[in-house]
Amino acid sequence: DTGVSQNPRHKITKRGQNVTFRCDPISEHNRLYWYRQTLGQGPEFLTYFQNEAQLEKSRLLSDRFSAERPKGSFSTLEIQRTEQGDSAMYLCAAGVSGNTIYFGEGSWLTVV
Amino acid sequence: AQSVAQPEDQVNVAEGNPLTVKCTYSVSGNPYLFWYVQYPNRGLQFLLKYITGDNLVKGSYGFEAEFNKSQTSFHLKKPSALVSDSALYFCAVRERDDKIIFGKGTRLHILP
Repeated sequence: DTGVSQNPRHKITKRGQNVTFRCDPISEHNRLYWYRQTLGQGPEFLTYFQNEAQLEKSRLLSDRFSAERPKGSFSTLEIQRTEQGDSAMYLCAAGVSGNTIYFGEGSWLTVV
Repeated sequence: AQSVAQPEDQVNVAEGNPLTVKCTYSVSGNPYLFWYVQYPNRGLQFLLKYITGDNLVKGSYGFEAEFNKSQTSFHLKKPSALVSDSALYFCAVRERDDKIIFGKGTRLHILP
């Protein structure tokens, strides 16, 4: 158990709909990261947080993507007006600053 | 920007033989390097890390990695491969701002 929970594990949505994923790390994890992974590729950095502060958002990320960590605990990743190209696994990872990060099991998104 | 490269998309090894999965890095300053493993439809699992100290780092499941500063490499090794080691392996580097960047991955096949 890595102490990082993600839900839902799987989401199928129609193109144009909004989806939200949630990540719950343990309380000691002040750093939280979101990555996107497509088949056969490595995790692609999306954004990360130090407590509730969003430190950086990837320049490759469309404005349709937004992430929050309102109280420095759980985080949400929202995708608005989904497109078929958004189909991927969305990974959350968390840890203590400067230390190892631990991943959740991921949330699969399929846009039809 | 710092980066890691995994030059092999796939590595095939017979069960019982030693295995090596290659990783090279490009960083400014001291590198913080990681190896993770991913099984099908799962999140990434932490195997080991190098921050400082001994060049040979031991990790989970009998894996180890050798840090070589002159060759800028951090190859993952195991003396005797098991069929259950078949998975996707990712090398990662921590950047100065604590962002963690992953390689594209190497698929390891252990042949019975």
